[in-house]
Amino acid sequence: DTAVSQTPKYLVTQMGNDKSIKCEQNLGHDTMYWYKQDSKKFLKIMFSYNNKELIINETVPNRFSPKSPDKAHLNLHINSLELGDSAVYFCASSLAATQYFGPGTRLLVL
Amino acid sequence: AQSVTQPDIHITVSEGASLELRCNYSYGATPYLFWYVQSPGQGLQLLLKYFSGDTLVQGIKGFEAEFKRSQSSFNLRKPSVHWSDAAEYFCAPASIVNRDDKIIFGKGTRLHILP
Repeated sequence: DTAVSQTPKYLVTQMGNDKSIKCEQNLGHDTMYWYKQDSKKFLKIMFSYNNKELIINETVPNRFSPKSPDKAHLNLHINSLELGDSAVYFCASSLAATQYFGPGTRLLVL
Repeated sequence: AQSVTQPDIHITVSEGASLELRCNYSYGATPYLFWYVQSPGQGLQLLLKYFSGDTLVQGIKGFEAEFKRSQSSFNLRKPSVHWSDAAEYFCAPASIVNRDDKIIFGKGTRLHILP
């Protein structure tokens, strides 16, 4: 009965590949996010969706494309992976500004 | 511009000692205020939050935080730390605009515990 889940937990891939990360929440929240956490633990918001509608799209390369098939799911597709994309990616949902985070996906680009 | 500052990147305390982690924010109006904790290899977990009312809020794991409007601060405290408290702590002010949550995270304070 995990509240916010992400798959996969680890992702190791070569430069230039395309990969996807999936996120699901069973909390019934309308708002979901993708965050990137770098090696210094700095947490940066990438995207925010409210009920399947894109709300926030921070300065992120257009190689990153989020998709929300329904309000319980928010997936992240990354094209042409680069070394600098190596990071931990967190999905979160929120209610009344309170964020609920998934366990993270550790992406390593070789 | 809205911002949040956690002035201490690393803090080291001995097990059983008291702890205070600092957080200052700059916001147009009083925001909602949060502290999150991230244990190694884990996602972020909510420790406590302040929306309104009593300026001293209690959270999980024996943590508390005090909102001081005059100082734009929301410092996190614990009277006696345990080795399991070693983690990264994030302060985060937030607001709700047109039903959309706007949150910014501090850069985090890494807490080290000496045995």
